[in-house]
Amino acid sequence: SAVISQKPSRDICQRGTSLTIQCQVDSQVTMMFWYRQQPGQSLTLIATANQGSEATYESGFVIDKFPISRPNLTFSTLTVSNMSPEDSSIYLCSVAGGGTDTQYFGPGTRLTVL
Amino acid sequence: GQQVMQIPQYQHVQEGEDFTTYCNSSTTLSNIQWYKQRPGGHPVFLIQLVKSGEVKKQKRLTFQFGEAKKNSSLHITATQTTDVGTYFCAGLGSWGKLQFGAGTQVVVTP
Repeated sequence: SAVISQKPSRDICQRGTSLTIQCQVDSQVTMMFWYRQQPGQSLTLIATANQGSEATYESGFVIDKFPISRPNLTFSTLTVSNMSPEDSSIYLCSVAGGGTDTQYFGPGTRLTVL
Repeated sequence: GQQVMQIPQYQHVQEGEDFTTYCNSSTTLSNIQWYKQRPGGHPVFLIQLVKSGEVKKQKRLTFQFGEAKKNSSLHITATQTTDVGTYFCAGLGSWGKLQFGAGTQVVVTP
């Protein structure tokens, strides 16, 4: 399985600011995803990060709020824009590939918005 | 919309006891996957079931996929404190994306 790192691991941010989360994989992967996990809840898919093109967003998530970049097959960023306390959550990137849809998750970024 | 439902949401188990968590989908699944998330950790892949009626074992964990490929179960025997965490099922359906269940949070009492 791939080794995935995320930066930052946690942050405390002020309302109205933006935070960019980085996801780095140690090998080239086909699929990269961004999830949100609110405290004590399940995982909600935000979007699929597509290499070289715009991300594919799930219902309820929009590019203006969660812009995503994926410049190559090993790296992606998720920005949480104009944050409010409701954005406090754990943000996880995951990867899949090699002909399988099994997903491997990064360690997550724990975000608190004051 | 497509949904994957998981019960119970919370399971309190005495060490040494068995328990089962169940996963149900409203539609037929291509496969079902199970993940474990330790407290403070991230989800870790456990297993994938693809075939109708499939049963797989990992030590004390037994995973089953229903004949109609709409439900699945995870049974843990002789629970240990290392089994603490939240177990998620995730179904891959015709919608093409993995849909996670709500998870079963397992607390083990020594």
